Amino acid sequence: QVQLQESGPGLVKPSQTLSLTCSVSGGSVSRGGNYWTWIRQHPGKGLEWIGYISDSGNIYYNASLRSRVTISVDRSKNQFSLTLSSVTAADTAVYYCAGGALHYCATGNCYAYGQAYWGQGTQVTVAS
Amino acid sequence: DIQMTQSPSSLSASVGDRVTITCRASQYISKYLNWYQQEPGKAPKLLISAASSLQSGVPSRFSGSGYGTDFTLTISGLQPEDSATYYCQQSHSSLTFGPGTKVDIK
Repeated sequence: QVQLQESGPGLVKPSQTLSLTCSVSGGSVSRGGNYWTWIRQHPGKGLEWIGYISDSGNIYYNASLRSRVTISVDRSKNQFSLTLSSVTAADTAVYYCAGGALHYCATGNCYAYGQAYWGQGTQVTVAS
Repeated sequence: DIQMTQSPSSLSASVGDRVTITCRASQYISKYLNWYQQEPGKAPKLLISAASSLQSGVPSRFSGSGYGTDFTLTISGLQPEDSATYYCQQSHSSLTFGPGTKVDIK
């Protein structure tokens, strides 16, 4: 059973960079056919997709966050990470890492199934 | 970018009722539509993937249908533990979530 666990600071100062890591157990981030994603949820609001990285290294970001987001994989540690730069109070949210299966990727697009694996979520507050 | 809408935004139904939630994509997404259930304070749980594929362990009272741009999630025989918010998500081109439907038990 694949399990995910987010880690990182719960408090970040405005204008600084938010960095979170998702540790994967019971499976491998290098396993073919999978993708790994970050999702956040503002207080009392719906789910917002941030971005994802596929097993082959294709990376897709939410257009509204693209200029500030980086997602990467550390295969040696079986982890994937999120960095979000120049944070403001609007970035205060619960951040989830999640994983799922890809159907296939072709011509610059990946067709995916849903995220079957989720971390418990980590609260990140942006405040001075 | 593909936009997702859901209706209704909330509903209240009795135990045993049949409940239907509708999700619409702003453009064609084939079968790449997923449904999630989220209880307060918990991570979302994948119920249905690829429009109609029930995830292992999910009760059979949940079902999904649709293709292209219009999709539905049906709960046949609502149970108290189904009180939650339900989200659709397209995974045809990147990912986009719908705004959610809150389901309460009368």
